[in-house]
Amino acid sequence: GENVEQHPSTLSVQEGDSAVIKCTYSDSASNYFPWYKQELGKGPQLIIDIRSNVGEKKDQRIAVTLNKTAKHFSLHITETQPEDSAVYFCATKDSSASKIIFGSGTRLSIRP
Amino acid sequence: KAGVTQTPRYLIKTRGQQVTLSCSPISGHRSVSWYQQTPGQGLQFLFEYFSETQRNKGNFPGRFSGRQFSNSRSEMNVSTLELGDSALYLCASKTSGSSYEQYFGPGTRLTVT
Repeated sequence: GENVEQHPSTLSVQEGDSAVIKCTYSDSASNYFPWYKQELGKGPQLIIDIRSNVGEKKDQRIAVTLNKTAKHFSLHITETQPEDSAVYFCATKDSSASKIIFGSGTRLSIRP
Repeated sequence: KAGVTQTPRYLIKTRGQQVTLSCSPISGHRSVSWYQQTPGQGLQFLFEYFSETQRNKGNFPGRFSGRQFSNSRSEMNVSTLELGDSALYLCASKTSGSSYEQYFGPGTRLTVT
């Protein structure tokens, strides 16, 4: 079945700097790659997603890139702010079913 | 539009008991999925319901079951609770079985003692 690996598990950056989280997946037929942000005491929140016919997508300070040949995708957050501190999950949609497979998560901390 | 709601938010049960969790999807959403989140295993898919039918099931024992009602609300049940069932149970909804964007509720924190 599909497997998603996410790195790093923890990331600390200075406020205003950029943060990058990387994920790899195993199923070459996967075609949907969402990213979720989970704050303490809350459920995961969909922040951006990309489909396999697109290489890059931006939404204000957040961007996601996809390399289907290498089977990896990344989340880029620019000009980080304290409210960006959270756990971030990458995910893919299993090509054989309707379920979402999640990475193990990255705990992002923004240093003032 | 109101988001996904889950009740109760917190629950404490004793080993061997059974528990029922409830999820109300976003208005107009007909697909509901359930996930278990633990520090050790992360986010794991339990099952998905669409139009009152289970479409997919994850690798969990038969003690975990669910159902969906005609108004798209869903319940999941765990029987004969074990200590390892302590987790955050998350419900997510989307417009249909074939749609992609999935939105999560706040979860139910289940503690088994």
